[in-house]
Amino acid sequence: AQSVTQLGSHVSVSEGALVLLRCNYSSSVPPYLFWYVQYPNQGLQLLLKYTTGATLVKGINGFEAEFKKSETSFHLTKPSAHMSDAAEHFCAVSKAAGNKLTFGGGTRVLVKP
Amino acid sequence: NAGVMQNPRHLVRRRGQEARLRCSPVKGHSHVYWYRQLPEEGLKFMVYLQKENIIDESGMPKERFSAEFPKEGPSILRIQQVVRGDSAAYFCASSPTGGENYGYTFGSGTRLTVV
Repeated sequence: AQSVTQLGSHVSVSEGALVLLRCNYSSSVPPYLFWYVQYPNQGLQLLLKYTTGATLVKGINGFEAEFKKSETSFHLTKPSAHMSDAAEHFCAVSKAAGNKLTFGGGTRVLVKP
Repeated sequence: NAGVMQNPRHLVRRRGQEARLRCSPVKGHSHVYWYRQLPEEGLKFMVYLQKENIIDESGMPKERFSAEFPKEGPSILRIQQVVRGDSAAYFCASSPTGGENYGYTFGSGTRLTVV
């Protein structure tokens, strides 16, 4: 069975500071990895995904993530936080294309002016 | 906009009533997934459907819950005899058939409140 662990349910950063959200997974097969953002009372928006190929993935809104197989990690970073980054962020994994997603518990990002 | 459409956005039901949640996938997407999000929690997989077939229902409660994706029309998640614990946000996602460039598109969800 797959599982996803997001370290830290809340992360507080100052505007302009580095954002780092941690995600570790367990999977019996090479995983497909995703980061989603959810604003209050809205659906999920895809930030980025890793399927195959280059392990450093760039997404929307200046976010990027690196797949590290040896560490079973897929941490999300952004060099400079913006107020619009204040939202819930979810890491997810699936076994294959078209397969169900398993989500982590989420990390809420708070951005201080 | 050809996104995933869910309706209603908000649904209030009294205990014991039935709730019907609808999901129209992105045009051309043949895979539909339903997820439930309890307050302050992540999303939990419920069921995966293709047209007229249930592919994986490992996350569905054994009783009162059912889902369908007919040949024509939206996918329906049906909850019979709702209880307070069913109060949650229910999200639908769709994806195209296969391929490494696939991606899931999520709807805005239906927020069910059982009173």
